[in-house]
Amino acid sequence: GAVVSQHPSRVICKSGTSVKIECRSLDFQATTMFWYRQFPKQSLMLMATSNEGSKATYEQGVEKDKFLINHASLTLSTLTVTSAHPEDSSFYICSANRGGGTEAFFGQGTRLTVV
Amino acid sequence: GQSLEQPSEVTAVEGAIVQINCTYQTSGFYGLSWYQQHDGGAPTFLSYNALDGLEETGRFSSFLSRSDSYGYLLLQELQMKDSASYFCAVSLTMNRDDKIIFGKGTRLHILP
Repeated sequence: GAVVSQHPSRVICKSGTSVKIECRSLDFQATTMFWYRQFPKQSLMLMATSNEGSKATYEQGVEKDKFLINHASLTLSTLTVTSAHPEDSSFYICSANRGGGTEAFFGQGTRLTVV
Repeated sequence: GQSLEQPSEVTAVEGAIVQINCTYQTSGFYGLSWYQQHDGGAPTFLSYNALDGLEETGRFSSFLSRSDSYGYLLLQELQMKDSASYFCAVSLTMNRDDKIIFGKGTRLHILP
C-alpha cells in the first residue's frame, strides 16, 4: 500500500488565492520530505527540501515566499502556493526516502489548475 | 553540478526487449535506482543497484557499472502497459535525508 499520501489529488482555484497541499508519511517518520513540480511530459523538478523543525531548503530559482513549506511533524509536510497565478498550474509531487535513502516513495501528486 | 543523461524517447514493439541507458556525473554516489511513471500518475520505484552487476526483478532488470558511471534498465517481454516514462536516479549518500538526483526521464512508446 501507499506509504506516502498526498492530498488533494486535484484542485482548481481562482487566481490570487492560496492553495495548501499536504504530504504525509503513513508508516514511517520522515524528517525530510521533498517537493517536486512537473510540467506535462517533462522531468521532475525539485523545488525544495522540507526539514522537520527547521526551514526548508529551496532550489535555485524557486521563490520561497511564493511556495511556503512547513514541516510541522515527523509525518506531515505542507506546501502552500500563495497568490496563485495561471502559470503556477502544474503537477506537484512530494516524496520521502525510507530506510537507507535508496528508495523514494512518492505521494499521488496534486494537479493544480489556476483559473 | 549533478548530471544524469538518458535518452528522451525510446520506441519498441510489444513482446520485444528494450534497454534504457543512463550515465551519471554526480558529486557522490551510493546507488542507482529506476522509477516508472505513467501519464497523470506519480513515479513508482522499480529497482536499485548499489554494486556492480545485474539485478533482476521479474521482467525488469537493472545493471550498474560504477567504474563507467553507467547503468541501464532492461525491460523484457514488453507489454502495452509498460508505456510510460522511466527515470534513473542517483542516491548521493546513504543518508535518507539527502535528496535523490533524477534524470530527465525516457518516454517509452510500445507499438502493437
